[in-house]
Amino acid sequence: GESVGLHLPTLSVQEGDNSIINCAYSNSASDYFIWYKQESGKGPQFIIDIRSNMDKRQGQRVTVLLNKTVKHLSLQIAATQPGDSAVYFCAENSGNTPLVFGKGTRLSVIA
Amino acid sequence: EPEVTQTPSHQVTQMGQEVILRCVPISNHLYFYWYRQILGQKVEFLVSFYNNEISEKSEIFDDQFSVERPDGSNFTLKIRSTKLEDSAMYFCASSEALATGKLFFGSGTQLSVL
Repeated sequence: GESVGLHLPTLSVQEGDNSIINCAYSNSASDYFIWYKQESGKGPQFIIDIRSNMDKRQGQRVTVLLNKTVKHLSLQIAATQPGDSAVYFCAENSGNTPLVFGKGTRLSVIA
Repeated sequence: EPEVTQTPSHQVTQMGQEVILRCVPISNHLYFYWYRQILGQKVEFLVSFYNNEISEKSEIFDDQFSVERPDGSNFTLKIRSTKLEDSAMYFCASSEALATGKLFFGSGTQLSVL
């Protein structure tokens, strides 16, 4: 079976609110996690990554949280904008194994 | 900003025909990948390629599939005898390193097998 997956397939948020997108993984050996954004008609685009020796990592308006105890990963987007509307995938990479994507969550921003 | 380019953007073919999907990875990248995405589903790994040979391949990448780097810039995916279930968006990606999750994806080729 797949080792990464997502709790919710769709998420709608008001413009300006914060968004939280969740992801669960099952492989305890996973040591590297990545969030990708896929806009309509485009390929996935790297957003932020985190290694298993960290609990939190911040980027520009985005924060990734990793809870290894419950094998849970989340992406927080601050002050969500219309341009944030996309499908968000979490992905797992362990050592030199190929990147494995989860099923994706569609984020819709309501103006 | 450098980007991965893919051609064509759309490809329609008859079942049983051969197709070649083309990609130009980012010039200083050494690792190349093909992924596919069936409509509305997750992105699935097909194959990774380094130093002119396949590094790893998935179960999807059977004998009907092959990859090639015919020159210093292009990276191609060939499907010898297409099936209806090969219809998908095919993404090429490249990266600077292997043990990285930071892949740069192209915009994809939408393959439709009729």
